[in-house]
Amino acid sequence: AQTVTQSQPEMSVQEAETVTLSCTYDTSENNYYLFWYKQPPSRQMILVIRQEAYKQQNATENRFSVNFQKAAKSFSLKISDSQLGDTAMYFCAFYGNTGKLIFGQGTTLQVKP
Amino acid sequence: DAGVTQSPTHLIKTRGQQVTLRCSPISGHKSVSWYQQVLGQGPQFIFQYYEKEERGRGNFPDRFSARQFPNYSSELNVNALLLGDSALYLCASSSAGGLGAYEQYFGPGTRLTVT
Repeated sequence: AQTVTQSQPEMSVQEAETVTLSCTYDTSENNYYLFWYKQPPSRQMILVIRQEAYKQQNATENRFSVNFQKAAKSFSLKISDSQLGDTAMYFCAFYGNTGKLIFGQGTTLQVKP
Repeated sequence: DAGVTQSPTHLIKTRGQQVTLRCSPISGHKSVSWYQQVLGQGPQFIFQYYEKEERGRGNFPDRFSARQFPNYSSELNVNALLLGDSALYLCASSSAGGLGAYEQYFGPGTRLTVT
């Protein structure tokens, strides 16, 4: 069975600095998708970035980028120039042949002014 | 375009009661998935429906059921409520179903409290 692990329950970063959130996963599949979702206190789950496993190039969306290491089954999220609005819970998620999103436990990120 | 909508926003039920949660997907999306998110944890998959058919089921008891209507909206029903059913219930929609439903857009959720 696929599993997703986020080993950092809480992190904090100063405004304008860079922070990296870690995620590892376990699967025997070769083709799958990985995601980072953001859930602010408002509860709305927002898609931040997506990575297709068959693509070697790391995905980037503005200030958000990933470091995808397929062999190591690692998928970290880097947030550059952190903003107060980035304060939220971040979830790493896996989507494969089972047709369901499998989420990690989440990392609470606090951006400090 | 409107995003995924869910109703109600909050509700409080008593143990043993039944509850129905509703979800309307993004216009043009034909797949709806339901997730349960207990406080402080990641969401857990409950069901996926595509074209009114169940395409996936998570590890939840038979007290949980769902259906999808011709307009692609969906209802999640939970019978014989337990205290442990207290959670945020999230609905997500996607344009495709099954293996194609990899990009899912979430609604704001329904907060269910069972007392």
